[in-house]
Amino acid sequence: DAGVIQSPRHEVTEMGQEVTLRCKPISGHDYLFWYRQTMMRGLELLIYFNNNVPIDDSGMPEDRFSAKMPNASFSTLKIQPSEPRDSAVYFCASSYGTRSLNEQFFGPGTRLTVL
Amino acid sequence: GNSVTQMEGPVTLSEEAFLTINCTYTATGYPSLFWYVQYPGEGLQLLLKATKADDKGSNKGFEATYRKETTSFHLEKGSVQVSDSAVYFCALLQGAQKLVFGQGTRLTINP
Repeated sequence: DAGVIQSPRHEVTEMGQEVTLRCKPISGHDYLFWYRQTMMRGLELLIYFNNNVPIDDSGMPEDRFSAKMPNASFSTLKIQPSEPRDSAVYFCASSYGTRSLNEQFFGPGTRLTVL
Repeated sequence: GNSVTQMEGPVTLSEEAFLTINCTYTATGYPSLFWYVQYPGEGLQLLLKATKADDKGSNKGFEATYRKETTSFHLEKGSVQVSDSAVYFCALLQGAQKLVFGQGTRLTINP
């Protein structure tokens, strides 16, 4: 079975540009999570969805960040405009909440560098 | 709020040494506890978990026991291998789905 798929794996952009990160969760999973990992702040939960509906976006740092899940097999995290402090590794994870005893399956991450 | 504190790394050991990575938590009630592992260039993978006090989670030779008296969930392995080199994260479950992670401990095993 394919795991969680993220694209791109690496993204380098300039300050002020729009960045879109993509995620395909494991088929059948009903929860999707977006995390950000930095040396300074560690691993932070940004937002999570249940059945395509955002449940908790309290970790989204500011209005420049937005996330959508138009269907069960696709989600995006968008940063507009991007800033150097957004440089981090962004992970997407999915789980089958009612069966998996909360095991989250992580994608390989997108390493974002904002110059 | 809920939080997880791990021993600071990096930790460097020789092959076949005994490993302990300390993890303590602050939480309301008795949340489920987890250890995740992140190998270089990859996402996190669940290593083991415990859902209630005194439970012992185990996998791949690693063990951790849920100790409510000391609010701890220390990770141990009797004999580490070079392939165990990775970053290890302790986490607790907040609510039904939200994981709160510790800062991670980088482990390097030398042959």
